Amino acid sequence: DGGITQSPKYLFRKEGQNVTLSCEQNLNHDAMYWYRQDPGQGLRLIYYSQIVNDFQKGDIAEGYSVSREKKESFPLTVTSAQKNPTAFYLCASSIRQPPYGYTFGSGTRLTVV
Amino acid sequence: DQQVKQNSPSLSVQEGRISILNCDYTNSMFDYFLWYKKYPAEGPTFLISISSIKDKNEDGRFTVFLNKSAKHLSLHIVPSQPGDSAVYFCAASAKNAGNMLTFGGGTRLMVKP
Repeated sequence: DGGITQSPKYLFRKEGQNVTLSCEQNLNHDAMYWYRQDPGQGLRLIYYSQIVNDFQKGDIAEGYSVSREKKESFPLTVTSAQKNPTAFYLCASSIRQPPYGYTFGSGTRLTVV
Repeated sequence: DQQVKQNSPSLSVQEGRISILNCDYTNSMFDYFLWYKKYPAEGPTFLISISSIKDKNEDGRFTVFLNKSAKHLSLHIVPSQPGDSAVYFCAASAKNAGNMLTFGGGTRLMVKP
């Protein structure tokens, strides 16, 4: 079955440490996205990539970095520069032709301890 | 500037009754609209969509209505079931933005037995 996998499900990080969240898809989708959700809030776009080796900043990219070396993979690094990293992180992918719609992963809950 | 707004953060409905979730948008270039359902600690899942050439789309208990002149769409769930309790996000894509979706802030639906 095709899908999008995020790992780990839960992640704890000490202040000052970088941490990388994994996102892998086998849907053959060109585009991939990272969102952040805070309690009681909507989805905020961190980074997105329309094609391999290319990515763009979203609305809240500060303190985050990404890479897109393979079509299947779009890892997100939460750096120590991110002031409030505790959140629920969602990865999604999509085709680039209509009709548009995202397939989401199951999310990673990151907690800074 | 929020281009897609869900003005009701929460909605409580009795089991068996109709749930109506609303979404307003400002960008007249939006031509495709989607609803996603999200349970806690999970990724959103696609529920139903509608193209701007239609004013209604139905799928089982779920119906989406689009009023282009009012820039308003709504999701009707009839009859509501306790398993429908979740956060619902509306999303829109614009002709000039390709596959990028703009999300509303979400509405938490609680269906009481």
